[in-house]
Amino acid sequence: QSVLTQPPSASGTPGQRVTISCSGSSSNIGINYVYWYQHLPGTAPKLLIYGTNQRPSGVPDRFAGSKSGTSASLAISGLRSEDEADYYCAVWDDSLSGRVFGGGTKLTVL
Amino acid sequence: QVQLQESGPGLVQPSQTLSLTCTVSGGSIRSPDYFWSWIRQPPGKGLEWIGYFQYPGSTYYNPSLKSRVTISVDTSKNQFSLKLSSVTAADTAVYYCAGPTNSELDSWGQGTLVTVSS
Repeated sequence: QSVLTQPPSASGTPGQRVTISCSGSSSNIGINYVYWYQHLPGTAPKLLIYGTNQRPSGVPDRFAGSKSGTSASLAISGLRSEDEADYYCAVWDDSLSGRVFGGGTKLTVL
Repeated sequence: QVQLQESGPGLVQPSQTLSLTCTVSGGSIRSPDYFWSWIRQPPGKGLEWIGYFQYPGSTYYNPSLKSRVTISVDTSKNQFSLKLSSVTAADTAVYYCAGPTNSELDSWGQGTLVTVSS
């Protein structure tokens, strides 16, 4: 069981907006920056969001990160077939003195 | 753009030590602003943070692995390495190196599968 809780699956149709949640606690999401990664099996995971809501160069603005209290979210708008992947949140946990990943959410584009 | 490449044996015997090296190009591991990470993904499971290194000599490890993990660096080769001792079948995973972690430049290697088996 991960310190960060993500739904195991999410889905949407092309063009839709989907949101993936990441629930943590006051020792991690509540006080530290959140990071989001996209992972297609067999490839290197890719950073989508850093600093909770910042996009690296080259990541389209269809991807947006946010945080409220001890929960964070990744929103994907204008869903495309190539967005079908696993998505992970990550954050530093002050109580564990370590970085933690969420369990991952498999996004299916119907 | 930072590029990373893992290398090392794909098969390790139980109770032995797993050793992997990550070669970094396009960025210096000597920058004190950055962290350089090891992460793994067991078959069918999610990502697990193993630990990271910050130049010149700070290391941070997953508490659940701390007694068995060592991350070291070779600045002359711009490489950092992972050693995981007393491995069991539960350590079978794809191992990734990544960095600079916690920055917008965060990049990952392609990953290398390490199987623990006799």
